[in-house]
Amino acid sequence: DTGVSQDPRHKITKRGQNVTFRCDPISEHNRLYWYRQTLGQGPEFLTYFQNEAQLEKSRLLSDRFSAERPKGSFSTLEIQRTEQGDSAMYLCASRQGDVQPQHFGDGTRLSIL
Amino acid sequence: AQTVTQSQPEMSVQEAETVTLSCTYDTSESDYYLFWYKQPPSRQMILVIRQEAYKQQNATENRFSVNFQKAAKSFSLKISDSQLGDAAMYFCAYRSSLIIQGAQKLVFGQGTRLTINP
Repeated sequence: DTGVSQDPRHKITKRGQNVTFRCDPISEHNRLYWYRQTLGQGPEFLTYFQNEAQLEKSRLLSDRFSAERPKGSFSTLEIQRTEQGDSAMYLCASRQGDVQPQHFGDGTRLSIL
Repeated sequence: AQTVTQSQPEMSVQEAETVTLSCTYDTSESDYYLFWYKQPPSRQMILVIRQEAYKQQNATENRFSVNFQKAAKSFSLKISDSQLGDAAMYFCAYRSSLIIQGAQKLVFGQGTRLTINP
């Protein structure tokens, strides 16, 4: 399978803990996106990378959130000092170039106890 | 900022019948892309169909077609011959065609949950 891969699929943690998610995009895709989806809602944009450069961050991405794509391949999203409101599905998507559509991974579901 | 609105939280249809999901959007741009994505329960979001705003012809993919009304900023999805496997959340999404910072993200609607009755 050469689709977008996300790890882990599920993460349960206690409030105040730090969590890190990983996304492996489709290999030739230079653009990578993170979205957050709460129950019953559409995904909301968090941040965007072109190769290793983080080109856009949403206001939703508070200072507790940080994302990296160190070598322009996989990306990590870290949430520090998790809060109840961080409970959501975190989706990663990738695409190549300016015209192609985004391809999504299965997501990481975060539950905060 | 662009917005996307899906006014039907839930829809249901009999198997083999036709159903239309509605979507409206707001933008000041003249060139953009519109998408319908399908998200089955606990499964990956999959692209169903897309439309480039500069194309007047409505996009079609097998049993899925769109009615794109640019002046009205409307983008509905028609599913013909509905099948049980079509049951899912359907999201309408917008993306600018501008190649500038801030224009690359998808803006999603709230979604429509489609149920197929056997």
